[in-house]
Formats: sequence, structure tokens, C-alpha cells
Amino acid sequence: EVQLVESGGGLVQPGGSLTLSCAASEFTFSVFWMNWVRQAPGKGLEWVASIRPDGSETSYVDSVKGRFTISRDNSKNSLFLQMGSLRAEDTAVYYCVRDRSSSWFDYWGQGALVTVHS
Amino acid sequence: SSELTQDPAVSVALGQTVRITCQGDSLRSYYPGWYQQKPGQAPVLVFYGKKNRPSGIPDRISGSRSGDTASLTITGAQAEDEADYYCNSRDSSGNAVIFGGGTRLTVL
Repeated sequence: EVQLVESGGGLVQPGGSLTLSCAASEFTFSVFWMNWVRQAPGKGLEWVASIRPDGSETSYVDSVKGRFTISRDNSKNSLFLQMGSLRAEDTAVYYCVRDRSSSWFDYWGQGALVTVHS
Repeated sequence: SSELTQDPAVSVALGQTVRITCQGDSLRSYYPGWYQQKPGQAPVLVFYGKKNRPSGIPDRISGSRSGDTASLTITGAQAEDEADYYCNSRDSSGNAVIFGGGTRLTVL
């Protein structure tokens, strides 16, 4: 069974930084686009970032460009999201998500809560 | 535009048929994915593309598209179908991903 397990969430002050990790297992991680999707408390889903299977191409939602960096280590079946200059509006559950193709997200992790608060 | 619009809430009587819609210019170029999310759980892909249903999803759930509007139809709604439903697709540029605002389905 495909598994995606996020870690690294927590409480951080505005302006601070945090890195999320996602451990993938039971599929060939290196051939899939991967994504981060977030959900603020009581709100809808928002795509945050995508990365190509070989890591050579990334894309971001406008609100995080220049502050967040998505990366991956295919040798360790791991996905990362480095988050900087965090704002209160970045508070959300962050999901690690596999793209089966065409941005159809077929497997989701359980989510990691990031709270930005002073 | 780079938006997907969904009705915030829809209700259906038990055993009846309900259609949840998703409207946006990007849907003229891209078929959407549809996700079901129950409270406290991660979303689950329930339909994608022109006619694809993931393994384990009941065949009472189906999808369609016409022009800039996509629909998710639940035929014979069950109590367990009560959830939030989201659509998504690539945006019109193809470089980003967008989600609809979600539809809360209540089964009466």
C-alpha cells in the first residue's frame, strides 16, 4: 500500500522558518511528480508547489513564491518543503501528495499542521 | 480566468441523485479531478479524467464535462457520501494547479 508520511510540522513565530519532510514508500517515487497541498483551518484545499520526478522543474502558487522551496531526494524517497518568512496566513495542514498524471492527486499523506503565531 | 467555481453547499435525499458542479475556463482544456473529504481526514480521489474511477470507489459516482463545466454525479446517494467535495485541474497556463472552493454535500 502506498504510504506518504509527513513530519516537521509545529508552531513557529511570524517571520520564522520550518522544513516539512515526507517519506514515501511502496511505490517508485522517482517517476512521479510530487506536490504539497495545504488546507487552512475550516477552509478549502490550496495547491502550494509541485516538483518534477527528477527535480529539475518546480512551480509554486503565487503567494509562496520566493518564500517556499520544494525539493526531493529520490535516493531516500523523500519530499521536502522549506518554508521561510512565514506569515499567519500560512497556518494550515500541509499534505504531501502524489500526482498520478495531469495533476490528478491519487495518494495523500495524513497531513502536518503548521501554526504561525506569536 | 484561473479559478474553479463550486456551489458551497448541496443537499440530497437519501437514495436520490445529486450533481455537484465545477466551472472554470481551464476545464475547456483539462479534465478535472474530484476529491471527497470527510471531517478530520485527508482528501480521497473519487473520479478523474474523462471516465476514470479509482479502485474501491463505488460506481454510483461518475463524472462528466461539457464546455467549461464539469460535474460529479452521485446516483442513489448514501449516508456515507456526506462530505466535502473538491474539483481541481491545471490552470489555463498549464503551469499551476487550482482547486475549486469545495461543495459540502448533505444527505437528508
